[in-house]
Amino acid sequence: ETGVTQTPRHLVMGMTNKKSLKCEQHLGHNAMYWYKQSAKKPLELMFVYSLEERVENNSVPSRFSPECPNSSHLFLHLHTLQPEDSALYLCASSQWGPSYEQYFGPGTRLTVT
Amino acid sequence: GIQVEQSPPDLILQEGANSTLRCNFSDSVNNLQWFHQNPWGQLINLFYIPSGTKQNGRLSATTVATERYSLLYISSSQTTDSGVYFCAVESSGSRLTFGEGTQLTVNP
Repeated sequence: ETGVTQTPRHLVMGMTNKKSLKCEQHLGHNAMYWYKQSAKKPLELMFVYSLEERVENNSVPSRFSPECPNSSHLFLHLHTLQPEDSALYLCASSQWGPSYEQYFGPGTRLTVT
Repeated sequence: GIQVEQSPPDLILQEGANSTLRCNFSDSVNNLQWFHQNPWGQLINLFYIPSGTKQNGRLSATTVATERYSLLYISSSQTTDSGVYFCAVESSGSRLTFGEGTQLTVNP
């Protein structure tokens, strides 16, 4: 238990569906992150939120839409995904700034059919 | 951006053996973390070690920041050590860049 939870743990969705991934951190951190891990690839940073403001969007397609309503919660809204979007989606949190340790949730394994 | 290279990509050990995993990075870093990813995908923090040496049980890590590498040592390996070990570095602004990982298999 790292103090970061994610739901659901597994998700299967069709290309026309809309779904949302949820992340919650109980560590008192003020920065949250979404990462994507595709098969046989390293983790790729998707979005960074600091104090609920988005500070980075790493050229992620608009079919992925993040939302950070407060410093403890982070969502990733999904719509009209492609099969190549099937991956493990990991949420992390930390204090904002250099030299702070990031802690990860257990991930959501997404399959797009 | 910063480059992170891990070696070896795959490692197979017998239970009880020792191993060394390496992480090279291409620029100075503010943060370096080692993680173990278990078969269910959970990333477990092993070490936060931008420089120096740390030990935690059978695991230890050393980062030589001036030479841009870090080493993770696993002693007396157990089957539960199996999984993927990732090195991740931060060179600016709280953004971690991950290496491709070392897949470790420990056989009984």
